[in-house]
Amino acid sequence: GENVEQHPSTLSVQEGDSAVIKCTYSDSASNYFPWYKQELGKRPQLIIDIRSNVGEKKDQRIAVTLNKTAKHFSLHITETQPEDSAVYFCAANYGGSQGNLIFGKGTKLSVKP
Amino acid sequence: GAGVSQSPSNKVTEKGKDVELRCDPISGHTALYWYRQSLGQGLEFLIYFQGNSAPDKSGLPSDRFSAERTGGSVSTLTIQRTQQEDSAVYLCASSLVPGGEQFFGPGTRLTVL
Repeated sequence: GENVEQHPSTLSVQEGDSAVIKCTYSDSASNYFPWYKQELGKRPQLIIDIRSNVGEKKDQRIAVTLNKTAKHFSLHITETQPEDSAVYFCAANYGGSQGNLIFGKGTKLSVKP
Repeated sequence: GAGVSQSPSNKVTEKGKDVELRCDPISGHTALYWYRQSLGQGLEFLIYFQGNSAPDKSGLPSDRFSAERTGGSVSTLTIQRTQQEDSAVYLCASSLVPGGEQFFGPGTRLTVL
């Protein structure tokens, strides 16, 4: 079946450093790649997404890159802050533009002050 | 405006009992999704409703699980003859259009004793 692999499962960085989370997907028809942040005990919330017609998207300290040929996409957080500590999930749609999302297993990011 | 709501927020039940979990999506959202999140784990897709189309039930783990969406709005996830391994947080999400940003509810924490 369709699959989204996410690495690493845990990531610890010092405040101010950058963090990178990588995902790969299997469905060549996937064209929508969102990233969700889930703080402890809270619901997942979208932080950034990218569609297949672009290779990179930035929003302040957060950026996402997409390599469709290699079927991988990455989340980059610069100048990390303690409030960035959370679990981050990548996802990819499958079955075309109206398809459902398959989520990666998540990355627990810890930012140490 | 109001976000996705779910009820109850917590449910404790005995093994073998049936449970019903409710989701109220954002008004006007045509797509509705159910996910299951076990402790410290990722988001496991269960079922997806889109308008009047037949639901995508490919994620339901067994025939004890079923869901319906009445009038294109409220959805109910039913688990029959609950087992201890059904214990998890059940999350509902909705999106304005299929394949669009998914907005999550706060979840229902189900504990099967």
